Amino acid sequence: GESVGLHLPTLSVQEGDNSIINCAYSNSASDYFIWYKQESGKGPQFIIDIRSNMDKRQGQRVTVLLNKTVKHLSLQIAATQPGDSAVYFCADIGGGADGLTFGKGTHLIIQP
Amino acid sequence: KAGVTQTPRYLIKTRGQQVTLSCSPISGHRSVSWYQQTPGQGLQFLFEYFSETQRNKGNFPGRFSGRQFSNSRSEMNVSTLELGDSALYLCASSLGATGAGNEKLFFGSGTQLSVL
Repeated sequence: GESVGLHLPTLSVQEGDNSIINCAYSNSASDYFIWYKQESGKGPQFIIDIRSNMDKRQGQRVTVLLNKTVKHLSLQIAATQPGDSAVYFCADIGGGADGLTFGKGTHLIIQP
Repeated sequence: KAGVTQTPRYLIKTRGQQVTLSCSPISGHRSVSWYQQTPGQGLQFLFEYFSETQRNKGNFPGRFSGRQFSNSRSEMNVSTLELGDSALYLCASSLGATGAGNEKLFFGSGTQLSVL
């Protein structure tokens, strides 16, 4: 089946800078997208979600952008902190799919 | 409210054995999904249960099975273990079944299974 993928396996940013993590999806029937953060030894933790009838959604220090034209999803983290260091996964579901389809993940590394 | 609880946290088995993993969802959540996570394949969907019925199943062999009880607690079983079954098995719960507008999954910390 079609899958959700991330552009980069690793992203290194300076503390205090903004981070942008990208994700491309291929399932045109996807109607719900979600970002998770996974720290070492823990399960994925919900960050933010967005439905296909929206193109932007904001949370606390995070923003998700959805571009349905090019099937692209991004997660923006403002003023990155050491605690943001983790692996970030995008996932999608839609069209009667069998559960969430996860991307491979981007490891966000925070440089002091 | 307590989160998703998975037991045991770690498990070591040998090839050919079978294993049962347990998951208690967040109180009030009726849907439980299971995922396998490996470094090579990432997170892969195993199956979803809602109201004691399996709704969806991923692309895994029949050795992988599960069930859900009337209190929404779930178990998954893997029979005739293979070395490749070594993985982190994650359970997630949600208020409703996927596709019903309640897809936000809350994950447990997982059970790390090692097959020797």
